[in-house]
Formats: sequence, C-alpha cells, structure tokens
Amino acid sequence: NAGVTQTPKFQVLKTGQSMTLQCAQDMNHEYMSWYRQDPGMGLRLIHYSVGAGITDQGEVPNGYNVSRSTTEDFPLRLLSAAPSQTSVYFCASSRGVDTGELFFGEGSRLTVL
Amino acid sequence: GDSVTQMEGPVTLSEEAFLTINCTYTATGYPSLFWYVQYPGEGLQLLLKATKADDKGSNKGFEATYRKETTSFHLEKGSVQVSDSAVYFCALSGSGNTGKLIFGQGTTLQVKP
Repeated sequence: NAGVTQTPKFQVLKTGQSMTLQCAQDMNHEYMSWYRQDPGMGLRLIHYSVGAGITDQGEVPNGYNVSRSTTEDFPLRLLSAAPSQTSVYFCASSRGVDTGELFFGEGSRLTVL
Repeated sequence: GDSVTQMEGPVTLSEEAFLTINCTYTATGYPSLFWYVQYPGEGLQLLLKATKADDKGSNKGFEATYRKETTSFHLEKGSVQVSDSAVYFCALSGSGNTGKLIFGQGTTLQVKP
C-alpha cells in the first residue's frame, strides 16, 4: 500500500530558483492538502483541494502555487524560492473535507540558501 | 481565531511510566479533536480522535477525553514503551469547511529503557 508518496525527500535550492514538490496518492481521496512544518509552530496549511480542478488557499499561501488536474496528483510549486521557505513540507489526503483523518506523506525537507 | 496549545517538551520518561501530555484549545462551534503521532523520519499519522464532548478516543493504549467544560483533550498512557518515543501533535478541525486541521506545536516524548 503506497498511500501518499512525496518526492523528492530532500532538496537544496538557491534563492530565486524554482522547483516542484510532487505528491501522489493511490487511495482515491478527494481531498488533498499541503502543510509546512516549522520548529515550535506545528503544521500550517498552505493550499488545499477538494477535488480535481478545485484548489484554494490555506493560511500561508504566499510564494506557492498548486494545481489539481487529476484526483491522484497535487504538486506544489515554488516559483522563486526564498530562505523563509526552508521547511519540511507534508502532503496529506483524506476521503472528504470533513473527515479530519488525514493521511500524510513522509515529508520533503527543503533548504533554501 | 481557533488555536491549540500543547505542553512544552521534550518530555523524558522511563519505560513503564505514566504519560500525560496536556492539550487545550480555543474554538468557535464544536470542533473534532485529534492526536497525531510522528515517528522519526516519518509523516504524521492519526493516533486517536473524538468528535463530540465527553467522547473518549483510544488506540494503542493511549486515551484522550474531549472535555468541553475545560476545553481540553489531554493524552494519557498508563505505561509507555521505548517504541512510543515520537512527537505528538494535538489538533482540531478548523471551521469553514476547508478540511483544515489546526495543530499544536508538538510535544517530543523520549522514553528511556
């Protein structure tokens, strides 16, 4: 059972570079989301999607873009990386928007120099 | 706005000791409450949940009771094991039908043999 798969697991960028964090789930979940985890701050929601073709902003969306062309995939794009985006990023999915039971990927650790 | 406050860690216990991790929350309405656990190098996974006042969630020997009068959801385990060493996050379901979970800052538990 693959669950939620994130790639890459580690990435180092220079300021101003762009990259995409990939997320795929094989559970046919309608709801997908991206969180960032920073020390002492828990997890904060970046963007979320309630189904293919539908995305919306979370509490910290600036500097990130998302799209949802298929049920399975929900990539997160950093258009021009900044040191403030150094963090661990988690993709999560669930059956629906109100279940509360999120299934998380293993995380992607991003360092921006 | 809605928020979750957890006791600060790290918490260090000997094997078979009793565990309590305090969690209090501020929320409008009637959120669901959750405990997630993150083992080293892994994503978060749901440990237990409670959806209404006085509900008790339980799993793997851990328990937590939804106390509306004290706005608390403390995590307890009668006898911890070394394998319980992890970071524990308390969370509540956010309002607005976004699927968002609001997380506490996490509490690191280290259990020594």
